[in-house]
Amino acid sequence: AQSVTQLDSQVPVFEEAPVELRCNYSSSVSVYLFWYVQYPNQGLQLLLKYLSGSTLVKGINGFEAEFNKSQTSFHLRKPSVHISDTAEYFCAVIPNGETSGSRLTFGEGTQLTVNP
Amino acid sequence: GAGVSQSPRYKVAKRGQDVALRCDPISGHVSLFWYQQALGQGPEFLTYFQNEAQLDKSGLPSDRFFAERPEGSVSTLKIQRTQQEDSAVYLCASSLRRLMNTEAFFGQGTRLTVV
Repeated sequence: AQSVTQLDSQVPVFEEAPVELRCNYSSSVSVYLFWYVQYPNQGLQLLLKYLSGSTLVKGINGFEAEFNKSQTSFHLRKPSVHISDTAEYFCAVIPNGETSGSRLTFGEGTQLTVNP
Repeated sequence: GAGVSQSPRYKVAKRGQDVALRCDPISGHVSLFWYQQALGQGPEFLTYFQNEAQLDKSGLPSDRFFAERPEGSVSTLKIQRTQQEDSAVYLCASSLRRLMNTEAFFGQGTRLTVV
């Protein structure tokens, strides 16, 4: 089984400041990792994903994340945030491999609020 | 269509009423998933279809929950005898290939409120 812990439920920042949203996971098997963003009354939109290869992954809207296997972390970062980045962010994992099942396991989310 | 479409967007049901939630996935997508998102929580897996076959229903919380995808495209999530704890946003997602390690596209969800 897998579990995902998002260490901060709320992160307030000022516009143009850097931000890091933290995610740790637990799994007995190798996993793929994802970050999704959810705007109010909207579905989830994929920001970025780590499947294999370089541990630094770049996504949409200027976000990036780094996979750290030894620390079982996948923190999301952006060097300069905008008001429009205000949203709920979810970290998620899925076991890799054909026989490992297909369900995403999500963290509880981090509400990012960007203030002017 | 251009994306995953869910209907209705909002549903208010009286306790004990049956409800049906519809999901239209992206055309040609093989995999379809249902998730339940309680207020202030992350989505939790309910069930998974590959074409018309329901391969995993282990996340369905009780036998009051039933999902189908008879022709391998549109899916319906049915909840019988709704209870207050069923109040949540129900999200549908689809992906082109069999496994969800390819990108999954989510619908806007149906917000169910049981009163």
